[in-house]
Amino acid sequence: DQQVKQNSPSLSVQEGRISILNCDYTNSMFDYFLWYKKYPAEGPTFLISISSIKDKNEDGRFTVFLNKSAKHLSLHIVPSQPGDSAVYFCAASAFWSGANNLFFGTGTRLTVIP
Amino acid sequence: KAGVTQTPRYLIKTRGQQVTLSCSPISGHRSVSWYQQTPGQGLQFLFEYFSETQRNKGNFPGRFSGRQFSNSRSEMNVSTLELGDSALYLCASSSGDGNTEAFFGQGTRLTVV
Repeated sequence: DQQVKQNSPSLSVQEGRISILNCDYTNSMFDYFLWYKKYPAEGPTFLISISSIKDKNEDGRFTVFLNKSAKHLSLHIVPSQPGDSAVYFCAASAFWSGANNLFFGTGTRLTVIP
Repeated sequence: KAGVTQTPRYLIKTRGQQVTLSCSPISGHRSVSWYQQTPGQGLQFLFEYFSETQRNKGNFPGRFSGRQFSNSRSEMNVSTLELGDSALYLCASSSGDGNTEAFFGQGTRLTVV
């Protein structure tokens, strides 16, 4: 039962353009959302997060948008750089329920073409 | 500030054996969570330890167990290894006090032959 879904396994974008990675979730109890970037044979690296009380959070080139009514979040990377090429995972948690675990999507492989 | 350290990085075991993986969290973090990553399944939550107590558990068989020590270091044990246990095992460290980001180690790549 995949509670967090990333329906696009891959995405290719030209350098300098915007990359938009999407994520959907089914559990309305999730109240905290995160994006991680992962290179092969390494652990995920935290990128940016957003609380359910917000609808946008920005950090440099990375912006995360949350649409609670649609149970949808997205990560925008502007401008995209070749070094951004990696697998991106979205994750969600419901800490208020007493659980501190993250539910991950299956990832989207981003390729930024120079 | 040192990051999350997992040892060993790579491991090859035979079916039926048991294995112990280690994770040292970021200094000051009291929560350690373990995840299994396999192709096609993404990252699946195994369990979380907070202040030496298992606080949460995912849907894995009892062959998967763990513990946490007073210094917050954690170990994960898998007994009676099966071929399907081959995966990247990741440990995540966080304060455990609320909605904060979790920081991952580089993982242990376990291959069962």
